[in-house]
Parts: sequence; C-alpha cells; structure tokens
Amino acid sequence: DVVMTQTPPSLSVAIGQSVSISCKSSQSLVASDKNTYLNWLLQSPGRSPKRLIYQVSKLDSGVPDRFSGSGSEKDFTLKISRVEAEDLGVYYCLQGTHLPRTFGGGTKLELK
Amino acid sequence: EVQLVESGGGLVKPGSSLKLSCVASGFTFSSYGMHWIRQAPKKGLEWIALIYYDSSNKYYADSVKGRFTISRDNSKNTLYLEMNSLRSEDTAMYYCAKGDNYWGQGVMVTVSS
Repeated sequence: DVVMTQTPPSLSVAIGQSVSISCKSSQSLVASDKNTYLNWLLQSPGRSPKRLIYQVSKLDSGVPDRFSGSGSEKDFTLKISRVEAEDLGVYYCLQGTHLPRTFGGGTKLELK
Repeated sequence: EVQLVESGGGLVKPGSSLKLSCVASGFTFSSYGMHWIRQAPKKGLEWIALIYYDSSNKYYADSVKGRFTISRDNSKNTLYLEMNSLRSEDTAMYYCAKGDNYWGQGVMVTVSS
C-alpha cells in the first residue's frame, strides 16, 4: 500500500499568517494516464471532510484562492496564505492513483 | 445540489452484522463510482471500499476484505455496505463518498458488548 506521510501533525497559527503542510508518498502518484491524483481535504470540527484541491493543484469550486497546492511525483505541499478562522480544522492528503486509496495522518490547524 | 445521506448505523455486539445505506441525489448516480470511508473516534480517515458505476468492479481494504460487501442499486440511487463479523475495531463513523469530492454526513457504528 502507498504510505502517505503528512507533516506537521499540528500547526498553531495566528489569523493572517501563512502556513504550509507537506505530504510525501512512498510511491510515485503519477497514474498511467499521466495525471497525478493527489487531493487535499479539510475536516472542520464536527463536519465531514470536504475536498479543497484535486490533481495536486486544481481548486474545487468555491475554494478561496488563498489555498494552493503544488508538487509532483512523491512530494506535495498545501499552502494557505492569510489563514482565516474558517480554515481551522484537520487537513488530510489523499492519494487516488493506487488502490487501496490512502490518506495522510492529518494536520490539525489551530489558532495560536 | 449533490446530497449523500447515510443510514443504518447503531450499537451492535461483536460478531453481529449491520447494513448501511447511502441515498444519493443531485447527480446521475449510475454514472459514478462510489466509496465507503470510515473514521474511528479521534482518529484519521481510512478508505474501505470502492464500487464502479456499473458494479463491474469492487475493491476493499485488507482490514474489511471477506467481512464487508459493497453494493449498489442504481434504480434506487442507493449505495450499500453490508458488514458481517463486526469487531470492536470497526467502531467508527462511516461515510459514503462520490469520487473524492462529495461526502455524506456520516453514520456511526459502535461495536461493543
């Protein structure tokens, strides 16, 4: 199975600060169709997860452009510029290239 | 608007069975693969099963293979997860999901004596 290593496990931030979350996979996530199926999800407190970014860097509809994704092959990053209160929660990376699908362990974003 | 509504959870004893349902609306259900994902209390997310749009292929996590069965009824826009031989470690919130981009609100399954 592909292991997704997500760091850091937690982040304490002030509103307006920028943060980055790393996700590294044990295998390349480039699929046979040349796409890279790496997603970023946010689980706000008490809510089900919501996808923010798919295929490394494509923002889902309605997601603010303060969020950006980058990376390739086995090394990926989610950046949040100018954190707002609504951004707090747990972020997960999810690879969809290989079965079984696997998630990173999560990064809890909290207010400083 | 895409909606996924799970039901069928509850408190059951180890070794028993339970069948979860997920009713979909707001999209052409019969055109999409569907997943079940679970989250144990205070833990991360675990993918457990995938079914293709036409039920032609089904895939399972090793942790549930042989005990859980994913199925769907496209005429009813409904996804199912039949869970047998339940263990305490199956205690979790169970989510259905359309691809990666839409998730239900989840249904809680508690396995305890």
